[in-house]
Amino acid sequence: AQSVTQLGSHVSVSEGALVLLRCNYSSSVPPYLFWYVQYPNQGLQLLLKYTSAATLVKGINGFEAEFKKSETSFHLTKPSAHMSDAAEYFCAVIWSGGYNKLIFGAGTRLAVHP
Amino acid sequence: DTAVSQTPKYLVTQMGNDKSIKCEQNLGHDTMYWYKQDSKKFLKIMFSYNNKELIINETVPNRFSPKSPDKAHLNLHINSLELGDSAVYFCASSEHITGELFFGEGSRLTVL
Repeated sequence: AQSVTQLGSHVSVSEGALVLLRCNYSSSVPPYLFWYVQYPNQGLQLLLKYTSAATLVKGINGFEAEFKKSETSFHLTKPSAHMSDAAEYFCAVIWSGGYNKLIFGAGTRLAVHP
Repeated sequence: DTAVSQTPKYLVTQMGNDKSIKCEQNLGHDTMYWYKQDSKKFLKIMFSYNNKELIINETVPNRFSPKSPDKAHLNLHINSLELGDSAVYFCASSEHITGELFFGEGSRLTVL
């Protein structure tokens, strides 16, 4: 079955430290991959997306993600965390060949402390 | 202008009641969705409509009935509400099959 796995439901980093949020997918066909962010009591906002162009994707707010087919991964990184980055982050996948059925991972809550 | 707007934002009701949530998008998108986010933040697709036609129905109970009067609107009606229906319901829209989903701010439903 097609699935998306986010390792670590909670990640805590210091302000200024590297942010690494992990995402792995199970797929036998090339997927379209997304990272969304959800701030408290708000809807989801797209951070970045991979659609089979460059494997390193740059998004908003200094985030980027690298698609690694051999590892079936799409980890999200940011070199230096800011307090405003504290939020819930969701990795999501659409598998080509079907309708726009976005499948979400379980989410990772990022906490940033001074 | 809000791209995807949902009303109401908060809804508190008793078990057994019937309630509706409305969604409108002004992005000109052809496809709209309803997602349910549970208390553990897990997001699951419920329905999707493309140009008023139902294209995704993810084994949701019959008590949930989506209606799309036109491609800019997708409403969700829930009959005989149960405690387990308490969640945040998100409406979203997209332009095409690999397009970005634009989400509304969510409607928090609490069933007492």
